[in-house]
Amino acid sequence: GENVEQHPSTLSVQEGDSAVIKCTYSDSASNYFPWYKQELGKRPQLIIDIRSNVGEKKDQRIAVTLNKTAKHFSLHITETQPEDSAVYFCAASKGAQKLVFGQGTRLTINP
Amino acid sequence: ETGVTQSPTHLIKTRGQQVTLRCSSQSGHNTVSWYQQALGQGPQFIFQYYREEENGRGNFPPRFSGLQFPNYSSELNVNALELDDSALYLCASSLRGGPSYEQYFGPGTRLTVT
Repeated sequence: GENVEQHPSTLSVQEGDSAVIKCTYSDSASNYFPWYKQELGKRPQLIIDIRSNVGEKKDQRIAVTLNKTAKHFSLHITETQPEDSAVYFCAASKGAQKLVFGQGTRLTINP
Repeated sequence: ETGVTQSPTHLIKTRGQQVTLRCSSQSGHNTVSWYQQALGQGPQFIFQYYREEENGRGNFPPRFSGLQFPNYSSELNVNALELDDSALYLCASSLRGGPSYEQYFGPGTRLTVT
């Protein structure tokens, strides 16, 4: 079955700097790769997603890149702000089927 | 906020008891997935329901069961509760056959087993 590895598990950056979180997946049939932000005690919230027919997608300060050949995808956050502090999860799925999540990255933005 | 709701918000049960968790999907969605999120971990897929039928199951024992109703709401039932069942239970609704693969998560039910 699908397996998603995420790293680093914790990341601390200075406010205004960039943060990068990386994930690898095992099932080449996966074609949907969402990223979720989860604040303490809250539901996971989709922040950006990408399909396998696209190599890069950007939404303001957030971007995701996908390398299908290497089976890895990355989240890039630029100009980080204190409100970006949270746990971030990557996931992979085949269409609308089950999401397989990574282990999560705790991102801390230092003022 | 999504239109997905879950009840109850919190629940405390004793080992060996049974529990039922409920989920109302977002309007227009026909698919509900359930996930278990242990503290400090990513959500783990339990099962998915589409048109009242189970459509995929994760690595969970048969004491985890579910239902989906004609209005697409869903229940998760757990029998013979164990201490390790303590977790946040999330449901997510989606529209199978639609243009988006996005799953919309509810706020979760925090289950504590003592």
